[in-house]
Amino acid sequence: GEEVAQTPKHLVRGEGQKAKLYCAPIKGHSYVFWYQQVLKNEFKFLISFQNENVFDETGMPKERFSAKCLPNSPCSLEIQATKLEDSAVYFCASSQSLLVGTADRFYSPLHFGNGTRLTVT
Amino acid sequence: TQLLEQSPQFLSIQEGENLTVYCNSSSVFSSLQWYRQEPGEGPVLLVTVVTGGEVKKLKRLTFQFGDARKDSSLHITAAQPGDTGLYLCAGARGSQGNLIFGKGTKLSVKP
Repeated sequence: GEEVAQTPKHLVRGEGQKAKLYCAPIKGHSYVFWYQQVLKNEFKFLISFQNENVFDETGMPKERFSAKCLPNSPCSLEIQATKLEDSAVYFCASSQSLLVGTADRFYSPLHFGNGTRLTVT
Repeated sequence: TQLLEQSPQFLSIQEGENLTVYCNSSSVFSSLQWYRQEPGEGPVLLVTVVTGGEVKKLKRLTFQFGDARKDSSLHITAAQPGDTGLYLCAGARGSQGNLIFGKGTKLSVKP
């Protein structure tokens, strides 16, 4: 599709429950990014994929967060045993490529979905 | 420590006024992007600046990248209520692939 599609739009979980979020990137885009937007609008990078391979996972809290991008399936972000502080809007973004332009410049325009608002009670 | 500092954090102005939003860092970025986010939606890319000293114009919006590629500014001329939103700057470093976002400037333009 021409838009990044994220589901569900809203998700409410009790503390300790599992939460699973989905993202369908734009067709033809090789890179997928997950960001967490918390209070005061701060965007925190979680993880990125190049096709089905993890590209950068330096932002992932390893203990409870996991993510996958499998062929012919939406990408997913799963949180085991949610905590109150996991409440946030989770954004997925996709990009056609990373490197655009001259050799010593790098920029990746990201196309964002509309996010999943996770509320942990 | 916030790598990209945006100021001001909030800005409320009347229609027709001009404004400037700043994005500053002590680090060098290979490129810098500006996004606008409206409530309930994801950020939408406005512009990418790549070369130090570069100026790009998008209708009433003027974007500038600092000579040293450490800072950027967004100037809006004759603001309109439709400009209301959260303006985010985001920097790219090397080939890591993830953008570093500032905390944003929340702009409200009153008719």
